[in-house]
Amino acid sequence: NAGVTQTPKFQVLKTGQSMTLQCAQDMNHEYMSWYRQDPGMGLRLIHYSVGAGITDQGEVPNGYNVSRSTTEDFPLRLLSAAPSQTSVYFCASSPAQLLNTEAFFGQGTRLTVV
Amino acid sequence: GNSVTQMEGPVTLSEEAFLTINCTYTATGYPSLFWYVQYPGEGLQLLLKATKADDKGSNKGFEATYRKETTSFHLEKGSVQVSDSAVYFCALSGGSSNTGKLIFGQGTTLQVKP
Repeated sequence: NAGVTQTPKFQVLKTGQSMTLQCAQDMNHEYMSWYRQDPGMGLRLIHYSVGAGITDQGEVPNGYNVSRSTTEDFPLRLLSAAPSQTSVYFCASSPAQLLNTEAFFGQGTRLTVV
Repeated sequence: GNSVTQMEGPVTLSEEAFLTINCTYTATGYPSLFWYVQYPGEGLQLLLKATKADDKGSNKGFEATYRKETTSFHLEKGSVQVSDSAVYFCALSGGSSNTGKLIFGQGTTLQVKP
């Protein structure tokens, strides 16, 4: 069972570079989301999607773009990387909005912006 | 808005000690409450959950009771093992003003020594 797959696992970027973090799930889940994890701050929601073609902003969306063209994929784009975006990024999916269902997480992408 | 507050760590215990990690929340209505665990180098995985007041969630010897009167969901385990060393996150979803997004506490690092 693949579950939620994130690539790459590690990435170093220079300030101003762009890149896309990939997230794919094979569980046919409608709901997908991106979080960033920073020391002492827990996980903060960046963007989320309730289904293909539908996305919305979370708590910390600035500097990030998302799209959801298929149920399986939910890429996160950094248009112009900044050192403040150094973090660990997690993608998650669930069958529906997280009212009482479990979220399944990928293993994370550790991003360093220099 | 909704929020979750966890006790600060790190928490260091000897094997077979009793564990309590405090979690309190702020939310209107009746949110669902979760504990997620993150083992070193991995993503988060659901440990247990409770979806209504007075429910007790339990898994792998851990348990937590949804206390609406004290807005708490403290995590407990009677006898910890070295393999329990991880970061523990309390989270909530739902309630009157939440559309189903997960809101996390800041995480508590547990280190269990032999």
